[in-house]
Amino acid sequence: EVQLVESGGGLVQPGGSLRLSCAASGFIFSNYWMHWVRQAPGKGLVWVSRITSDESSTSYADSVKGRFTISRDNAKNTLYLQMDSLRAEDTAVFYCARGGYYDSSGSYQAQAFDIWGQGTMVTVSS
Amino acid sequence: EIVLTQSPGTLSLSPGERATLSCRASQSVSSSYLAWYQQKPGQTPRLLIYGASSGATGIPDRFSGSGSGTDFTLTISRLEPEDSAVYYCQQYGSSPYTFGQGTKLELK
Repeated sequence: EVQLVESGGGLVQPGGSLRLSCAASGFIFSNYWMHWVRQAPGKGLVWVSRITSDESSTSYADSVKGRFTISRDNAKNTLYLQMDSLRAEDTAVFYCARGGYYDSSGSYQAQAFDIWGQGTMVTVSS
Repeated sequence: EIVLTQSPGTLSLSPGERATLSCRASQSVSSSYLAWYQQKPGQTPRLLIYGASSGATGIPDRFSGSGSGTDFTLTISRLEPEDSAVYYCQQYGSSPYTFGQGTKLELK
């Protein structure tokens, strides 16, 4: 079964740090670009960050740039999000999601977010 | 950054009716890299439509997408009670991979 399972969420004080993990199974993790998306309570979906399949390139939303770091370990089939200098407005459910991939010819194929994890809740509060 | 604006904010319809949801982009979405997702309360988003008009695996053919450039539409024909949800559009062609603010579909 193709699935993504997040972990690492919890309660943290403003200014604190947290590292989220996303364990992938059922597909060739190393082929896919991966994303983090968040959703504040009662609000909409907001894209947070993206990493390419070989970790050569990362991208961030302006709201988290310089504070969050996305990474991956293809040997462990795991995606990470290191979150530092957390603020109250970072309180949200964080989802990991599968994106595009490189095909057999090495060409990038953009793909909508077809697989999502169940989400992990991050609460930033004193 | 491509800003996606969805309308209406809320849509209230009866089972059996047809729903039309709109998503307008602030600039052209490259190669129609426009997706629609459904999210029910307490659940994970579910991919419905990709490439503006292609149905994702396992999605009933009541759900259809159309449009190109800056104007896109999700149509749900013959609404069923389980279609009650929030629907989001998203462009996935270039970073930042923005989402619209969502349309809440309520079934009477």
